[in-house]
Amino acid sequence: ILNVEQSPQSLHVQEGDSTNFTCSFPSSNFYALHWYRWETAKSPEALFVMTLNGDEKKKGRISATLNTKEGYSYLYIKGSQPEDSATYLCAFISITGRRALTFGSGTRLQVQP
Amino acid sequence: DVKVTQSSRYLVKRTGEKVFLECVQDMDHENMFWYRQDPGLGLRLIYFSYDVKMKEKGDIPEGYSVSREKKERFSLILESASTNQTSMYLCASSEGTAYSNQPQHFGDGTRLSIL
Repeated sequence: ILNVEQSPQSLHVQEGDSTNFTCSFPSSNFYALHWYRWETAKSPEALFVMTLNGDEKKKGRISATLNTKEGYSYLYIKGSQPEDSATYLCAFISITGRRALTFGSGTRLQVQP
Repeated sequence: DVKVTQSSRYLVKRTGEKVFLECVQDMDHENMFWYRQDPGLGLRLIYFSYDVKMKEKGDIPEGYSVSREKKERFSLILESASTNQTSMYLCASSEGTAYSNQPQHFGDGTRLSIL
Protein backbone atom coordinates (compact mmCIF):
# COMPACT_ATOMS: atom_id res chain seq x y z
CA ILE A 1 0.00 0.00 0.00
CA LEU A 2 1.43 3.41 -1.02
CA ASN A 3 1.91 5.99 1.72
CA VAL A 4 0.22 9.35 1.13
CA GLU A 5 0.42 11.74 4.07
CA GLN A 6 -1.29 15.04 4.62
CA SER A 7 -0.48 17.69 7.18
CA PRO A 8 -1.78 19.19 9.25
CA GLN A 9 -4.69 16.95 10.15
CA SER A 10 -6.84 19.97 10.97
CA LEU A 11 -6.59 23.72 10.83
CA HIS A 12 -8.62 26.59 12.27
CA VAL A 13 -8.11 30.02 10.69
CA GLN A 14 -9.85 33.38 10.74
CA GLU A 15 -11.70 34.75 7.75
CA GLY A 16 -9.20 36.60 5.55
CA ASP A 17 -6.19 34.51 6.59
CA SER A 18 -4.18 32.75 3.92
CA THR A 19 -3.29 29.15 4.60
CA ASN A 20 -1.54 26.19 3.08
CA PHE A 21 -1.26 22.47 3.63
CA THR A 22 0.96 19.67 2.45
CA CYS A 23 0.59 16.35 0.71
CA SER A 24 3.56 13.94 0.69
CA PHE A 25 3.73 10.95 -1.63
CA PRO A 26 6.31 8.49 -2.99
CA SER A 27 8.74 10.29 -5.31
CA SER A 28 9.34 7.29 -7.57
CA ASN A 29 7.09 6.07 -10.40
CA PHE A 30 4.92 9.18 -10.26
CA TYR A 31 1.93 9.43 -12.59
CA ALA A 32 -0.51 11.99 -11.20
CA LEU A 33 -1.56 13.83 -8.04
CA HIS A 34 -5.18 14.83 -7.43
CA TRP A 35 -6.67 17.36 -4.99
CA TYR A 36 -10.31 17.17 -3.88
CA ARG A 37 -12.48 19.34 -1.64
CA TRP A 38 -15.11 17.60 0.49
CA GLU A 39 -17.68 19.81 2.16
CA THR A 40 -19.91 18.43 4.88
CA ALA A 41 -23.06 16.73 3.53
CA LYS A 42 -21.79 16.96 -0.04
CA SER A 43 -19.71 14.70 -2.28
CA PRO A 44 -15.98 15.21 -2.86
CA GLU A 45 -15.29 17.57 -5.73
CA ALA A 46 -12.14 17.57 -7.86
CA LEU A 47 -9.99 20.68 -7.59
CA PHE A 48 -6.86 19.81 -9.55
CA VAL A 49 -5.17 16.95 -11.36
CA MET A 50 -1.43 17.55 -11.60
CA THR A 51 0.94 15.48 -13.71
CA LEU A 52 4.15 17.44 -14.36
CA ASN A 53 6.95 18.35 -11.98
CA GLY A 54 6.76 22.08 -11.30
CA ASP A 55 3.07 22.25 -12.22
CA GLU A 56 1.16 25.13 -10.70
CA LYS A 57 -2.63 25.21 -10.94
CA LYS A 58 -5.08 27.86 -9.84
CA LYS A 59 -8.84 28.01 -9.32
CA GLY A 60 -10.02 31.32 -7.91
CA ARG A 61 -8.33 31.79 -4.53
CA ILE A 62 -7.04 28.23 -4.41
CA SER A 63 -3.77 27.16 -5.99
CA ALA A 64 -1.52 24.12 -5.88
CA THR A 65 2.09 23.31 -6.67
CA LEU A 66 3.77 20.00 -7.38
CA ASN A 67 7.28 18.69 -6.77
CA THR A 68 7.50 15.12 -8.03
CA LYS A 69 11.26 14.79 -7.44
CA GLU A 70 10.90 15.28 -3.69
CA GLY A 71 7.36 13.92 -3.46
CA TYR A 72 5.19 16.77 -2.20
CA SER A 73 2.41 19.08 -3.23
CA TYR A 74 1.17 22.25 -1.51
CA LEU A 75 -2.37 23.57 -1.59
CA TYR A 76 -2.75 27.31 -0.88
CA ILE A 77 -5.90 29.24 -0.06
CA LYS A 78 -5.60 33.01 -0.24
CA GLY A 79 -7.93 35.09 1.93
CA SER A 80 -9.88 32.18 3.42
CA GLN A 81 -13.67 32.49 3.54
CA PRO A 82 -16.14 30.51 5.68
CA GLU A 83 -17.30 28.70 2.54
CA ASP A 84 -13.76 27.28 2.19
CA SER A 85 -14.42 25.17 5.29
CA ALA A 86 -14.08 21.57 4.13
CA THR A 87 -11.79 18.57 4.19
CA TYR A 88 -9.10 18.75 1.50
CA LEU A 89 -7.94 15.39 0.19
CA CYS A 90 -4.96 14.60 -1.96
CA ALA A 91 -4.58 11.35 -3.88
CA PHE A 92 -1.66 9.79 -5.70
CA ILE A 93 -1.43 7.35 -8.56
CA SER A 94 1.74 5.53 -9.52
CA ILE A 95 2.73 4.41 -13.01
CA THR A 96 3.34 0.95 -11.58
CA GLY A 97 0.94 -1.20 -9.66
CA ARG A 98 -2.80 -0.69 -9.57
CA ARG A 99 -4.67 1.76 -11.76
CA ALA A 100 -6.38 3.56 -8.89
CA LEU A 101 -5.80 6.47 -6.52
CA THR A 102 -4.42 6.19 -3.01
CA PHE A 103 -5.89 8.92 -0.83
CA GLY A 104 -4.36 10.73 2.11
CA SER A 105 -6.44 11.11 5.27
CA GLY A 106 -7.17 14.76 4.53
CA THR A 107 -6.75 18.18 6.10
CA ARG A 108 -9.89 19.52 7.77
CA LEU A 109 -10.07 23.29 7.43
CA GLN A 110 -12.42 25.46 9.47
CA VAL A 111 -12.63 29.16 8.68
CA GLN A 112 -14.11 31.30 11.45
CA PRO A 113 -16.09 34.39 10.37
CA ASP B 1 -22.40 17.51 -15.69
CA VAL B 2 -21.49 14.01 -14.59
CA LYS B 3 -24.01 12.43 -12.30
CA VAL B 4 -23.09 9.57 -10.01
CA THR B 5 -26.11 8.28 -8.16
CA GLN B 6 -26.02 6.01 -5.14
CA SER B 7 -29.21 4.16 -4.35
CA SER B 8 -29.56 5.21 -0.71
CA ARG B 9 -28.26 8.06 1.49
CA TYR B 10 -28.92 6.14 4.71
CA LEU B 11 -29.30 2.41 5.26
CA VAL B 12 -29.74 0.33 8.40
CA LYS B 13 -29.20 -3.43 8.23
CA ARG B 14 -28.71 -6.29 10.66
CA THR B 15 -25.64 -8.41 11.29
CA GLY B 16 -25.49 -11.35 8.90
CA GLU B 17 -27.68 -9.79 6.21
CA LYS B 18 -26.55 -9.62 2.60
CA VAL B 19 -26.43 -5.94 1.66
CA PHE B 20 -26.40 -4.42 -1.80
CA LEU B 21 -25.20 -0.88 -2.49
CA GLU B 22 -25.90 0.33 -6.00
CA CYS B 23 -24.14 3.03 -8.00
CA VAL B 24 -25.05 4.37 -11.43
CA GLN B 25 -23.19 6.92 -13.54
CA ASP B 26 -24.54 8.65 -16.61
CA MET B 27 -21.38 9.68 -18.48
CA ASP B 28 -20.24 6.41 -20.03
CA HIS B 29 -17.15 6.33 -17.82
CA GLU B 30 -14.94 3.26 -18.07
CA ASN B 31 -13.70 3.34 -14.46
CA MET B 32 -15.80 2.94 -11.33
CA PHE B 33 -14.71 2.73 -7.69
CA TRP B 34 -16.05 1.90 -4.25
CA TYR B 35 -14.55 3.52 -1.16
CA ARG B 36 -15.35 3.60 2.50
CA GLN B 37 -14.64 6.57 4.69
CA ASP B 38 -14.05 6.29 8.42
CA PRO B 39 -13.04 9.12 10.79
CA GLY B 40 -9.32 9.84 10.61
CA LEU B 41 -8.71 7.30 7.85
CA GLY B 42 -9.59 9.16 4.66
CA LEU B 43 -10.98 7.27 1.69
CA ARG B 44 -9.98 3.63 1.48
CA LEU B 45 -10.46 1.75 -1.75
CA ILE B 46 -12.52 -1.43 -1.53
CA TYR B 47 -12.80 -2.49 -5.18
CA PHE B 48 -12.60 -0.89 -8.57
CA SER B 49 -13.51 -1.76 -12.12
CA TYR B 50 -12.06 -0.46 -15.37
CA ASP B 51 -14.42 -2.26 -17.71
CA VAL B 52 -17.62 -4.28 -17.76
CA LYS B 53 -17.20 -7.58 -15.90
CA MET B 54 -13.69 -6.53 -14.79
CA LYS B 55 -12.84 -5.96 -11.15
CA GLU B 56 -9.74 -5.45 -9.06
CA LYS B 57 -9.25 -5.54 -5.32
CA GLY B 58 -8.41 -2.37 -3.51
CA ASP B 59 -6.88 -2.02 -0.06
CA ILE B 60 -9.71 -3.51 2.00
CA PRO B 61 -11.69 -6.04 -0.08
CA GLU B 62 -12.31 -8.57 2.70
CA GLY B 63 -16.01 -9.10 3.37
CA TYR B 64 -17.06 -7.38 0.13
CA SER B 65 -17.68 -8.35 -3.46
CA VAL B 66 -18.66 -6.31 -6.51
CA SER B 67 -20.55 -6.72 -9.73
CA ARG B 68 -20.32 -4.78 -12.97
CA GLU B 69 -22.63 -6.31 -15.54
CA LYS B 70 -23.31 -3.02 -17.35
CA LYS B 71 -20.97 -0.11 -17.94
CA GLU B 72 -23.08 2.39 -16.04
CA ARG B 73 -23.70 0.32 -12.90
CA PHE B 74 -21.30 -0.87 -10.20
CA SER B 75 -22.69 -2.75 -7.22
CA LEU B 76 -21.02 -3.35 -3.87
CA ILE B 77 -22.15 -6.42 -1.95
CA LEU B 78 -21.60 -7.10 1.72
CA GLU B 79 -21.85 -10.87 1.77
CA SER B 80 -22.68 -11.16 5.48
CA ALA B 81 -22.81 -7.75 7.12
CA SER B 82 -20.87 -7.21 10.31
CA THR B 83 -20.83 -4.28 12.73
CA ASN B 84 -17.31 -3.29 11.64
CA GLN B 85 -18.72 -2.52 8.20
CA THR B 86 -20.71 0.38 9.60
CA SER B 87 -19.31 3.27 7.61
CA MET B 88 -19.83 5.87 4.89
CA TYR B 89 -19.58 4.29 1.44
CA LEU B 90 -18.73 6.39 -1.60
CA CYS B 91 -18.92 5.45 -5.25
CA ALA B 92 -16.94 7.28 -7.93
CA SER B 93 -16.37 7.12 -11.66
CA SER B 94 -13.78 8.48 -14.05
CA GLU B 95 -13.13 8.65 -17.73
CA GLY B 96 -10.35 6.92 -19.60
CA THR B 97 -8.47 3.68 -19.52
CA ALA B 98 -5.21 2.56 -17.95
CA TYR B 99 -3.56 5.14 -15.71
CA SER B 100 -6.09 7.77 -16.56
CA ASN B 101 -5.29 11.26 -15.27
CA GLN B 102 -8.94 12.29 -15.31
CA PRO B 103 -10.59 13.40 -12.05
CA GLN B 104 -12.99 11.16 -10.22
CA HIS B 105 -16.65 12.11 -9.84
CA PHE B 106 -18.29 11.04 -6.62
CA GLY B 107 -21.78 10.15 -5.51
CA ASP B 108 -23.33 11.60 -2.37
CA GLY B 109 -22.44 8.57 -0.29
CA THR B 110 -24.40 5.96 1.62
CA ARG B 111 -24.19 6.01 5.40
CA LEU B 112 -24.60 2.35 6.34
CA SER B 113 -25.27 1.20 9.89
CA ILE B 114 -25.07 -2.48 10.77
CA LEU B 115 -26.87 -3.34 14.01
